[in-house]
Amino acid sequence: KAGVTQTPRYLIKTRGQQVTLSCSPISGHRSVSWYQQTPGQGLQFLFEYFSETQRNKGNFPGRFSGRQFSNSRSEMNVSTLELGDSALYLCASSATWNQPQHFGDGTRLSIL
Amino acid sequence: DQQVKQNSPSLSVQEGRISILNCDYTNSMFDYFLWYKKYPAEGPTFLISISSIKDKNEDGRFTVFLNKSAKHLSLHIVPSQPGDSAVYFCAARRSGGGADGLTFGKGTHLIIQP
Repeated sequence: KAGVTQTPRYLIKTRGQQVTLSCSPISGHRSVSWYQQTPGQGLQFLFEYFSETQRNKGNFPGRFSGRQFSNSRSEMNVSTLELGDSALYLCASSATWNQPQHFGDGTRLSIL
Repeated sequence: DQQVKQNSPSLSVQEGRISILNCDYTNSMFDYFLWYKKYPAEGPTFLISISSIKDKNEDGRFTVFLNKSAKHLSLHIVPSQPGDSAVYFCAARRSGGGADGLTFGKGTHLIIQP
């Protein structure tokens, strides 16, 4: 069974630009969550989608947004990039909200 | 305010012995707890979970214990193997309507000595 797939694996952007990251969940999983990992803050919850609806959002500014498509694939977008947005962005999927989340290998975003 | 705390940044254990990783939480609304293992350049891998209606859950070499009154959980690995060397994250969430995402601890780096 294929795992969670995130693209691209690495990305370099400059301040002020915007970026879109993609996540394909495990087949059959309808819940997709996004997390940001930084050395200082650790793993922090960004948002969660289920059946194309955002169910929850973490404590991040409005520059961070996401969406989920009818096939459960998800994208997250960060606009007006700042240096502090440099991080590993992880996507996780689960069959339902109360099942374990399974993570992809992440997208490493570097802001210059 | 850190709601999930792993107070040991690192832990060194001899191969074949028991590894015990600890985790404390402050939010009494958390009712579902998970442990993940993470190797460098990979995403976290799910290990084992426990619901607040239980106090113990086993899966092979891994056992998670939950003490709700102390708001404490632990992961036991027996016997420890070299491949267990990784960073271990404790995570928690609350269920029910409006459930949030996972809240993670900062991780414990487990080193298995040959």
